[in-house]
Amino acid sequence: GAGVSQSPSNKVTEKGKDVELRCDPISGHTALYWYRQSLGQGLEFLIYFQGNSAPDKSGLPSDRFSAERTGGSVSTLTIQRTQQEDSAVYLCASSLGREEKLFFGSGTQLSVL
Amino acid sequence: AQSVTQLGSHVSVSEGALVLLRCNYSSSVPPYLFWYVQYPNQGLQLLLKYTTGATLVKGINGFEAEFKKSETSFHLTKPSAHMSDAAEYFCAVLSGGYNKLIFGAGTRLAVHP
Repeated sequence: GAGVSQSPSNKVTEKGKDVELRCDPISGHTALYWYRQSLGQGLEFLIYFQGNSAPDKSGLPSDRFSAERTGGSVSTLTIQRTQQEDSAVYLCASSLGREEKLFFGSGTQLSVL
Repeated sequence: AQSVTQLGSHVSVSEGALVLLRCNYSSSVPPYLFWYVQYPNQGLQLLLKYTTGATLVKGINGFEAEFKKSETSFHLTKPSAHMSDAAEYFCAVLSGGYNKLIFGAGTRLAVHP
């Protein structure tokens, strides 16, 4: 596709359930980021993938959060045993390299009831 | 640790007035600095970036920013605000050995007639 694609665009789940959020980056982009955007909180860094290097997971808020990137392309962010405080917009972005322009997806609005 | 501080979560200006959005960073190494904008109901997009070279950087839509090392600042300006500039603006720094892009909390710009 022409841009970064995220699915689903909206996800409503019950507290305690697991969710998976998907990101399809722009073809050829080696860098991929996940951010979380909460009202009034700006963008919170979660995880960064660069090529075949080990991901930078330093932003993941707890061990309930994990992410993988298969084949250097599609990425999945998994949140286990969701909590109400996990409710936010989860944004994925990709770029040609670390210092290059990020292209953002439209995000997944996660609501935990 | 690298960080970004945006002074003022909300800024309001009159149409035609100067826009000044403040950003200060903390970095132990020469930083790469970015401004992103998020228009209502749209994804984030790059306004401008500073990597090396000229400290005054020009971006899209008439915006510019100046990197001032002595002040650890990267303030965003536009000489004359337009109604269409109403959006949320995020300053970001590339940090941690240039691994991850850290965003500020954002400044919401309102432009009134």
